[in-house]
Amino acid sequence: SQQGEEDPQALSIQEGENATMNCSYKTSINNLQWYRQNSGRGLVHLILIRSNEREKHSGRLRVTLDTSKKSSSLLITASRAADTASYFCADPQGGYNKLIFGAGTRLAVHP
Amino acid sequence: DTGVSQDPRHKITKRGQNVTFRCDPISEHNRLYWYRQTLGQGPEFLTYFQNEAQLEKSRLLSDRFSAERPKGSFSTLEIQRTEQGDSAMYLCASSLAVVDEQYFGPGTRLTVT
Repeated sequence: SQQGEEDPQALSIQEGENATMNCSYKTSINNLQWYRQNSGRGLVHLILIRSNEREKHSGRLRVTLDTSKKSSSLLITASRAADTASYFCADPQGGYNKLIFGAGTRLAVHP
Repeated sequence: DTGVSQDPRHKITKRGQNVTFRCDPISEHNRLYWYRQTLGQGPEFLTYFQNEAQLEKSRLLSDRFSAERPKGSFSTLEIQRTEQGDSAMYLCASSLAVVDEQYFGPGTRLTVT
């Protein structure tokens, strides 16, 4: 069963605009991870935020985490056509860190 | 390329046939995962290996599915008597025990006709 739920399901923007996608989860987490998937490079890890962190940056990516609301957001600034992909949040569960993914947000960035 | 590799990339088979997929993880990674992804959905966990031991299996993994990692290196996933509902992308991922990030292979897309 899916744990995280991303919102919106789809997002269409112009190059240079910012894109924000949200993720809600149901159980307590140790960390939350964001992955990107496109046809060219498959599923790629973007950023990990731990439960004791509130915000994290990596290049044009900014992730926030609100454990009281069980939610996270991913902001992509100054988007590029190459950012077109599906974005998933996932949290590792159990002692073996199996990832539980949401259904993803499909982002389209138009030149 | 030292990433995770999977073979084949695409497989078309007729219902009732058996298929086997292979995953080669990053060489020093002792954790190996299989996931299944259907169109428009996120990946769903199937099974987990730590070295050669299969330590967890999802309820999604019916008796027709079997996975092995005989020497703690590559892994195989076999589906017997395939059904149309098995059509999906099968993803393999590996990681180090002390690091949470998982590295995914390109996947094997299975189509059952």
